[in-house]
Amino acid sequence: AQKITQTQPGMFVQEKEAVTLDCTYDTSDPSYGLFWYKQPSSGEMIFLIYQGSYDQQNATEGRYSLNFQKARKSANLVISASQLGDSAMYFCAMRELGTGNQFYFGTGTSLTVIP
Amino acid sequence: EAEVAQSPRYKITEKSQAVAFWCDPISGHATLYWYRQILGQGPELLVQFQDESVVDDSQLPKDRFSAERLKGVDSTLKIQPAELGDSAMYLCASSLELRPGLAENEQFFGPGTRLTVL
Repeated sequence: AQKITQTQPGMFVQEKEAVTLDCTYDTSDPSYGLFWYKQPSSGEMIFLIYQGSYDQQNATEGRYSLNFQKARKSANLVISASQLGDSAMYFCAMRELGTGNQFYFGTGTSLTVIP
Repeated sequence: EAEVAQSPRYKITEKSQAVAFWCDPISGHATLYWYRQILGQGPELLVQFQDESVVDDSQLPKDRFSAERLKGVDSTLKIQPAELGDSAMYLCASSLELRPGLAENEQFFGPGTRLTVL
């Protein structure tokens, strides 16, 4: 089974609007971390936001927030007030405490911000 | 700000040639990862080191790929011989050892080496 599932290959959003990128995960480990990374066309992977499995509140970092629904095993990324520079690939990833620090990545969602 | 360094940034080679990529992680990061990313896909883990020891190389094509981290600091990934299907971005990342509750759990990525095999 896939550890991380991103079902939206491509998304479009109007500039200044909010957008939600979906991510579901599969684990039986009670201790894990969830991450979102941004990859612009230049290729570098940029860390955006982190949510720990024991965190009680949803993580927020500036315009990024993570909608963490533990029972549903989902960790959707919400980008508020989209900017043209947000156009990029977005990857959801998970790290399990019990598997020696290995990261599992999803297949990514391509976000295009329309002026 | 500390960064993961990789070189070269771009490499073009002919099939059957040997290529090598170098990675210098952030100082103090015990865990080092090598990923292969084919265009339009997510990163695929090739090998993971904890200090100088290999933790996971189950996805590394060992007939042609090798990786080492002799002193537990920088690392080299080698392909010999290169094949057309090896054309991809090779990403190196490092992280602190995982400890629950620590904010510094994320991986830090280098700029990558884009390999083209002709």
